[in-house]
Amino acid sequence: GAVVSQHPSWVICKSGTSVKIECRSLDFQATTMFWYRQFPKQSLMLMATSNEGSKATYEQGVEKDKFLINHASLTLSTLTVTSAHPEDSSFYICSASGQTSTDTQYFGPGTRLTVL
Amino acid sequence: AQSVTQLDSQVPVFEEAPVELRCNYSSSVSVYLFWYVQYPNQGLQLLLKYLSGSTLVKGINGFEAEFNKSQTSFHLRKPSVHISDTAEYFCAVQPRGGKLIFGQGTELSVKP
Repeated sequence: GAVVSQHPSWVICKSGTSVKIECRSLDFQATTMFWYRQFPKQSLMLMATSNEGSKATYEQGVEKDKFLINHASLTLSTLTVTSAHPEDSSFYICSASGQTSTDTQYFGPGTRLTVL
Repeated sequence: AQSVTQLDSQVPVFEEAPVELRCNYSSSVSVYLFWYVQYPNQGLQLLLKYLSGSTLVKGINGFEAEFNKSQTSFHLRKPSVHISDTAEYFCAVQPRGGKLIFGQGTELSVKP
């Protein structure tokens, strides 16, 4: 149980284009989903927290107009990187948790974004 | 505020040797504690977690960790490692109802 998928697993795009990454909880309902960014050889940096049906809460320094997050259902959240630039190249990882404060976050396999 | 310190950025060890990955945390409130493993180009997999109760927690793949409240530590141990244990390991803390806060990670390298 507690499987989280991400699609695509990797994507290459041209500078200026937008890219959408999907995060799905396959076997449980995720009240809350989280989006992280990870640079090579570094830890995970929380970008935003999204609750189903409401606006995402962004961490300080994360541009909400650049990283659009939608959590339309209890099993799906999307992250759209708008007008991507090479500095947006990174490994993006989502996680999902259930309804109680003790619920563990279960992580997706990550999406490698490369912006040319 | 909470913080997590993983004391070793890299730990090289020979196959079948024991290993300990160290994690210390700082928090003024009660926290839950986690260890995650990340294989190259993959997401994080939960190894084990401490929420309450027994301070010795057993996880997957033969790993265990011990919560020491007085020393604010949550070290990860395995009595005998395999080549397949080579990966990045992250310690994390989460205050109740709060965000997950990660350490910087420890790269475990198991050599034959």
